[in-house]
Amino acid sequence: ETGVTQSPTHLIKTRGQQVTLRCSSQSGHNTVSWYQQALGQGPQFIFQYYREEENGRGNFPPRFSGLQFPNYSSELNVNALELDDSALYLCASSPGTGGGQPQHFGDGTRLSIL
Amino acid sequence: GESVGLHLPTLSVQEGDNSIINCAYSNSASDYFIWYKQESGKGPQFIIDIRSNMDKRQGQRVTVLLNKTVKHLSLQIAATQPGDSAVYFCAEKIQGAQKLVFGQGTRLTINP
Repeated sequence: ETGVTQSPTHLIKTRGQQVTLRCSSQSGHNTVSWYQQALGQGPQFIFQYYREEENGRGNFPPRFSGLQFPNYSSELNVNALELDDSALYLCASSPGTGGGQPQHFGDGTRLSIL
Repeated sequence: GESVGLHLPTLSVQEGDNSIINCAYSNSASDYFIWYKQESGKGPQFIIDIRSNMDKRQGQRVTVLLNKTVKHLSLQIAATQPGDSAVYFCAEKIQGAQKLVFGQGTRLTINP
């Protein structure tokens, strides 16, 4: 069974640039959620994708957007990068959207904004 | 509002002792809780979960206890080993919502 994989592992960008982060869900999982984890903090929910549509969103501005593909993989796009966007971006997959199903995380993409 | 907090930011235990990590939550509509372990440079790793209709669940060397009356969750690790050193997060899922709400984490350090 293949776990959640994310790419790239590290990325350095400058303010104002755009970035795309990628995630492959665990086999058999059709739901993908994205989280932002600042240093020393717990992960914060950005949004979730199910059946290629956004299925819930946290308190993040519209410059954070995403996609889900027919194979359930997903992308997180961030436009007009700001210094505060520096964080670990985590992708988690689960076998559905219902309660009682744990989300399994990848090892994240460490994004640094200069 | 939604918040998941931890009583202690750090916990230091002797190798072989039992560890207890505590977590308080504030949303009575939460119906599902998870404990994650996060090692340096890695993503959160699922340890154990519990639904709100249960008050105890056991796994291999771990037990989660849920007290809905006082909105408290705990993770017990038996015979703590050096490999248990990590940051532990509790997370709650509010009924009908998609997101997990995480606390800030407790760093568990094992003394030889």
